[in-house]
Amino acid sequence: SQQGEEDPQALSIQEGENATMNCSYKTSINNLQWYRQNSGRGLVHLILIRSNEREKHSGRLRVTLDTSKKSSSLLITASRAADTASYFCATEGIGANSKLTFGKGITLSVRP
Amino acid sequence: GAVVSQHPSWVICKSGTSVKIECRSLDFQATTMFWYRQFPKQSLMLMATSNEGSKATYEQGVEKDKFLINHASLTLSTLTVTSAHPEDSSFYICSALKGFLMVDTEAFFGQGTRLTVV
Repeated sequence: SQQGEEDPQALSIQEGENATMNCSYKTSINNLQWYRQNSGRGLVHLILIRSNEREKHSGRLRVTLDTSKKSSSLLITASRAADTASYFCATEGIGANSKLTFGKGITLSVRP
Repeated sequence: GAVVSQHPSWVICKSGTSVKIECRSLDFQATTMFWYRQFPKQSLMLMATSNEGSKATYEQGVEKDKFLINHASLTLSTLTVTSAHPEDSSFYICSALKGFLMVDTEAFFGQGTRLTVV
C-alpha cells in the first residue's frame, strides 16, 4: 500500500514566497527523504531526515519530522522559478521492509 | 555526489518486441539497484530490487518473466521488457545505492527511460 501521501497535490506560488509541502505516512520508518523531479527526468535527492531527528536544514530547505503524527513537512524559502518541479517524499522502512516507498508527489509551480 | 546513467532516455518499439534498458553507476559500485515504473503524474512504483550476483527480488504483481532483470556487475543492471505491449508504455527509472546497506542511505537515480510501445 502507498506509504507516503503528500499534500497539497498541487501548489502555485509567486516567486519569493515560501512553499510548504506536507507528507504523511503509515508505518514506522528509519528515515524520510524528499526528492525533486523535473518533468520527464529522474529524481534528485534533496534531504534525508532520520527517525530520531526533528528538524533539518539544507540551504533554502527546511524539513521537519513528527514521528508521533507520522508526518513531515518540506519548506522551501524564498522560492525561485527554477524550483518549479514535482516533489516526492519517500520513506525507508525498517528491517524486512527496508526499501524506499514514494508518495504521489506534489507539483509546485513558482510564477516569476 | 554520485552519478547514475540510464540508457536509452527514450525508446519506441513495436508491440511484441523486447527492449533492454541499462542502468549504470558511473563513479561508484552499487550492490543494490532498484527499478521503478512511473505513470504520468503518478508516484514511483517499485518493480524490483536488483542485487549484484543474485536473482532480483520482484514486488507483488510484477511479472518476473515479463520484466527480466540482470545485475551482472557492480556498476550495471539491466531491465528487459519482453514481448512489450502498449500497456507497458511508461517511464522507467532506476536507482542505485552507494554502499551496502539500505539504512539511511541516499539513493541516486538515473534520468529515466520513456518507453512507448506502438
